[in-house]
Amino acid sequence: GQQVMQIPQYQHVQEGEDFTTYCNSSTTLSNIQWYKQRPGGHPVFLIQLVKSGEVKKQKRLTFQFGEAKKNSSLHITATQTTDVGTYFCAGPGSHNNDMRFGAGTRLTVKP
Amino acid sequence: DAEITQSPRHKIIETGRQVTLACHQTWNHNNMFWYRQDLGHGLRLIHYSYGVHDTNKGEVSDGYSVSRSNTEDLPLTLESAASSQTSVYFCASSESFGTGNEKLFFGSGTQLSVL
Repeated sequence: GQQVMQIPQYQHVQEGEDFTTYCNSSTTLSNIQWYKQRPGGHPVFLIQLVKSGEVKKQKRLTFQFGEAKKNSSLHITATQTTDVGTYFCAGPGSHNNDMRFGAGTRLTVKP
Repeated sequence: DAEITQSPRHKIIETGRQVTLACHQTWNHNNMFWYRQDLGHGLRLIHYSYGVHDTNKGEVSDGYSVSRSNTEDLPLTLESAASSQTSVYFCASSESFGTGNEKLFFGSGTQLSVL
């Protein structure tokens, strides 16, 4: 079945540095979603990418979907302490409605 | 406001006991999901449902069951709990595929400890 691999597992940065997490799928994805989970919280939807080569921005966050629709990335410019949390990518499984998650990248930010 | 709620927030049970985790959503979503979260594994799909009386197995369905008797609820049952089922359990719901708005709304989670 579809698997979504995400790297790195952990990332520790100094406040103000940039951060990127990468997501790769073994199969072509119809769409990819990104979520953020704050420590002790639940995952919260950030964005969905659908088109090949799509790039979307949310303030300091930039999301990209690869041309082949098999990979995606989330880049945060100039991290802040409020960015702390685990970032997950998710892609649809065999039934399209069942989202399968990557293992997540846990971001810590040193002030 | 619409929401998705899980209960209980925390539960401790003995090995071999049966336990049911509740999930209730007022979004009127057809799709509902149960995930478990363990360190290093992210969120793994247990079971999901596309509507009333529909249930499907996910990646890690062994030892779990669900039933969907109405739109709002998808209870998750552990028939005979094992220590390997100690985890944080998240319920989620979404609109149907093809609506362009398939994002998942998550509940606050249930921390289950099996001793």
